Amino acid sequence: EVQLVESGGGLVQPGRSLRLSCAASGFTFDDYAMHWVRQAPGKGLEWVSGISWNSGSIGYADSVKGRFTISRDNAKNSLYLQMNSLRAEDTALYYCAKDKGGGWYDWGQGTLVTVSS
Amino acid sequence: AIQMTQSPSSLSASVGDRVTITCRASQGIRNDLGWYQQKPGKAPKLLIYAASSLQSGVPSRFSGSGSGTDFTLTISSLQPEDFATYYCLQDYNYPHTFGQGTKLEIK
Repeated sequence: EVQLVESGGGLVQPGRSLRLSCAASGFTFDDYAMHWVRQAPGKGLEWVSGISWNSGSIGYADSVKGRFTISRDNAKNSLYLQMNSLRAEDTALYYCAKDKGGGWYDWGQGTLVTVSS
Repeated sequence: AIQMTQSPSSLSASVGDRVTITCRASQGIRNDLGWYQQKPGKAPKLLIYAASSLQSGVPSRFSGSGSGTDFTLTISSLQPEDFATYYCLQDYNYPHTFGQGTKLEIK
């Protein structure tokens, strides 16, 4: 059974940093691209960042480019999102999702990030 | 970045109705589009990938069509469990983009 478990969320002050993790199990992690998607309270889904299986292709939403860094450790079956210079508008539930190369079937349950003083 | 314009933003319908939701891309995206259903407090669920391929386990009342810039999700006969919010997602290139969402409510 595929499992994606996000962690690392919490309350953080504006301008500070946070690192999210997504622990993957139940599949061959280094066969798949992965993504981070967020959802602000009461709002729609926003794609944040994606990374190919070998980290050779990486993309970011314009809203986070230059502040967030996605990475993965295939040996640890883990996906990361380093978030710097956090803003109030980064407050959201952050999901990781597995890209099966035709849709994203598997999602975690999310980790909540709240940016507030 | 490619913009995905989804319509309508909300829709009231009855059990048994046929419903269509559309997404328009600001430039051609081949068939690199998926449709997702989200219920409150839950992660999104993949319904359709590659514009028209039904994800395994998803009821056949859901169907997708389109290519290039114009796409549709159709629910042929609404069931009570279908009342949710629906999103399209283009994964043609980075940055990937979601539509704004369509909230499907019971009339």
